[in-house]
Amino acid sequence: QSALTQPASVSGTPGQWITISCTGTSSNIGAFNFVSWYQQYPGKAPKLLIYDVTQRPSGVSHRFSGSKSGNTASLTISGLQAEDEADYHCSSYTTSSTLVFGGGTKLTVL
Amino acid sequence: EVQLVESGGGLVQPGQSLQLSCAASGFSLSTYWMSWVRQAPGKGLEWVANIKPDGAETYYVDSLRGRFFIFRDNARNSVYLQVNNLRVEDTAIYYCARDRRGATGDPWGQGTLVTVSS
Repeated sequence: QSALTQPASVSGTPGQWITISCTGTSSNIGAFNFVSWYQQYPGKAPKLLIYDVTQRPSGVSHRFSGSKSGNTASLTISGLQAEDEADYHCSSYTTSSTLVFGGGTKLTVL
Repeated sequence: EVQLVESGGGLVQPGQSLQLSCAASGFSLSTYWMSWVRQAPGKGLEWVANIKPDGAETYYVDSLRGRFFIFRDNARNSVYLQVNNLRVEDTAIYYCARDRRGATGDPWGQGTLVTVSS
């Protein structure tokens, strides 16, 4: 049940698009289309941004999108805004019927 | 409004136990898988365990199986996490979350802080 691998930090300027990667194995990301992404502001609970690799819950901006190729999933944020500065976490369902998270990525909007 | 409210956290000494509670409102807990997820200070999220709607199946992260126990009382619309033989490294915010197929966190509770220190 090793954690998924995310970059510790990424940055971008307003209006730009950025991508956060999430690398797993054939026992989690590569096995199912059950990758999720969460946004978390300091001192707050996480919020579900993306589920089932590409699906957005009601109310989530279309600027957030997800994708997957092999054992790696990605979150793309387009038209970067100051309010997007937060921590982003990925998760995947596993072949052991458990869930596993990545270490989290801090997004800085310059 | 769908809401999850955790309680039961606090400051405990190593070796002690706690029972964390999560009360749901705005929906019937009895039709959902539910998870506990924790976050140590300054660290990422760690999925701890989840439980089937009828309580008949439970799953745990390997490192915590045997010390942590998840259970539920659908009549009280609540889910619980019994945490035993606590260690300093168990210090974290513990979140309750409603699962969806292949994921959790739809939504999350606000969390309850567990601090293990002598």
